[in-house]
Amino acid sequence: AQKITQTQPGMFVQEKEAVTLDCTYDTSDQSYGLFWYKQPSSGEMIFLIYQGSYDEQNATEGRYSLNFQKARKSANLVISASQLGDSAMYFCAMREAISQGGSEKLVFGKGTKLTVNP
Amino acid sequence: ETGVTQSPTHLIKTRGQQVTLRCSSQSGHNTVSWYQQALGQGPQFIFQYYREEENGRGNFPPRFSGLQFPNYSSELNVNALELDDSALYLCASSLSEGLLEQYFGPGTRLTVT
Repeated sequence: AQKITQTQPGMFVQEKEAVTLDCTYDTSDQSYGLFWYKQPSSGEMIFLIYQGSYDEQNATEGRYSLNFQKARKSANLVISASQLGDSAMYFCAMREAISQGGSEKLVFGKGTKLTVNP
Repeated sequence: ETGVTQSPTHLIKTRGQQVTLRCSSQSGHNTVSWYQQALGQGPQFIFQYYREEENGRGNFPPRFSGLQFPNYSSELNVNALELDDSALYLCASSLSEGLLEQYFGPGTRLTVT
């Protein structure tokens, strides 16, 4: 079974600065995928970025980038130029098969609470 | 806005009661997954429905059950509520069993007293 570890319960960053949120994973699969989600206080999980294990380049989506280090089994999220609206919970997740038919589920870490200070 | 809606937003129930939570998927999405998120934890997979049939299940007891309707809306039913069932319940819809085009609803916060 896949396992996701997020060791930072909370992080603080000044507005306009960059911040890195850590994520390590454990899997015996050769092919896998990693996701980052943002969860504001409203509760909805918002997809941010995805990295496939065979992707040659680190994923980027606007101010979000993923620092993917396969040998270390880490997939850290980097948020550049932090904004006050970035304050939220951030979850790292991994896809896992739930049947032989190709269906999948997400396995989540415990999350990191990011606070952006003005 | 993801187009996925859930009702009710909040709910308070007493231990031993039964509850039904509802999810309306994004238009055209035929797959729905339900997750339970306890306070301070990440979401945990409950089950998935694909074209009205249960497609996979997580480590939850049988008192957690679900339905998916022909219009792809979905229900999560929990019988014999326990205090530990207090959580945010999230549904997520997608066009197939893949996860890259999966969208979450805002969740239903259930409190069991």
